[in-house]
Amino acid sequence: SYELTQPPSVSVSPGQTARITCSGDALPKQYAYWYQQKPGQAPVLVIYKDSERPSGIPERFSGSSSGTTVTLTISGVQAEDEADYYCQSADNSGTYTVIFGGGTKLTVL
Amino acid sequence: QVQLVESGGGVVQPGRSLKLSCAASGFTFSSYGMHWVRQAPGKGLEWVAVIWYDGSNKYYADSVKGRFTISRDNSKNTLYLQMNSLRAEDTAVYYCAREFTGTYYYDSSGYRKSGAFDYWGQGTLVTVSS
Repeated sequence: SYELTQPPSVSVSPGQTARITCSGDALPKQYAYWYQQKPGQAPVLVIYKDSERPSGIPERFSGSSSGTTVTLTISGVQAEDEADYYCQSADNSGTYTVIFGGGTKLTVL
Repeated sequence: QVQLVESGGGVVQPGRSLKLSCAASGFTFSSYGMHWVRQAPGKGLEWVAVIWYDGSNKYYADSVKGRFTISRDNSKNTLYLQMNSLRAEDTAVYYCAREFTGTYYYDSSGYRKSGAFDYWGQGTLVTVSS
């Protein structure tokens, strides 16, 4: 079955740039979405359609796509950005399905 | 403001059934596709099911197909998930989520693909244990 692969963890110091990747063979043809989830809370959408930012999401969050990898970039990381981040996308089959990556724990040192 | 409030979770024995509800408010419920997403303790997100805005189409993850049924009552602004033949591996927090208008799309092969989930409920915990 189709999988989206994320690194289990990423660590950065405050003010630096964090990049979280999500890899999958279908990503050149499918959009990706990104969610932030803090402990005990529901996920929050931070990027949709690879690079669009919902209203209310800080400009330091951005998304990009290149081939089979999409990347969530957080510029000027703040302590409050420490959370789990999940990518979401779809495969290239005709079956309707929703796939999440395994998640990446962002630690702000 | 948009609110999604899940209820119906609890402890249930393997093989038994449970029905979850998600009460929606603050938006025109009948205009939105709705999803269930679950998260096992300490694990990642897993999509469970979707229902079109008018209930005309429903799709399920392979892990729940044939056991779970998604439904909605637009007159009551409520989404449901009927879970039968529950297994230990169904233990999770279950979230309902709204599909962000305009973000679903048809890929290059013409297949409809999910949009993003712009609002989520707080989740309800289902524990399957004897």
